[in-house]
Amino acid sequence: DTGVSQDPRHKITKRGQNVTFRCDPISEHNRLYWYRQTLGQGPEFLTYFQNEAQLEKSRLLSDRFSAERPKGSFSTLEIQRTEQGDSAMYLCASSLVRQGAETQYFGPGTRLLVL
Amino acid sequence: GESVGLHLPTLSVQEGDNSIINCAYSNSASDYFIWYKQESGKGPQFIIDIRSNMDKRQGQRVTVLLNKTVKHLSLQIAATQPGDSAVYFCAENSNSGNTPLVFGKGTRLSVIA
Repeated sequence: DTGVSQDPRHKITKRGQNVTFRCDPISEHNRLYWYRQTLGQGPEFLTYFQNEAQLEKSRLLSDRFSAERPKGSFSTLEIQRTEQGDSAMYLCASSLVRQGAETQYFGPGTRLLVL
Repeated sequence: GESVGLHLPTLSVQEGDNSIINCAYSNSASDYFIWYKQESGKGPQFIIDIRSNMDKRQGQRVTVLLNKTVKHLSLQIAATQPGDSAVYFCAENSNSGNTPLVFGKGTRLSVIA
């Protein structure tokens, strides 16, 4: 257990529905990342926050995706009008940024299946 | 585009033997490298990291080697155990870690008892 928690662990939804995932990072960590992982692939970066500021979003993050970290602690990732192609494992990672290298610690992930 | 990749998608080793998992990267600006282990249904677990000013770093039963000349990274696991069976990913970022991680596809390590 890395100290990063995600909820729910599994989500099955019908195409067109909205879903929201939550990530609670390690408490003193100021950076929080969202990644997506499909079967047989490595995680792909979606977006990240430093404290409450969203600093970068990848091209993978379409306008149906939105992420927030309102108080600089937990974060939510919402997918609107889900599509079958959204089926994947959604991973959250957190880190403490300081001078030098930064190690990201991952949560267990939320596995999404869109029917 | 620049990417991180792995030479071997699968690796089978006998219990007790040493394992070597390789990784190539193409971003010459990469200065921080991490190996993660991922078991089925779980998130990636940090194993060991290395900065670009180092060639070698050792942990408990694991060693990471970095060859910046050929942009190659390897993970050595000594006395491989059944519990080492998992998918291993190398990941890198640049600017001393101030960029998102770029992952390769992963190598599946199977330990034969």
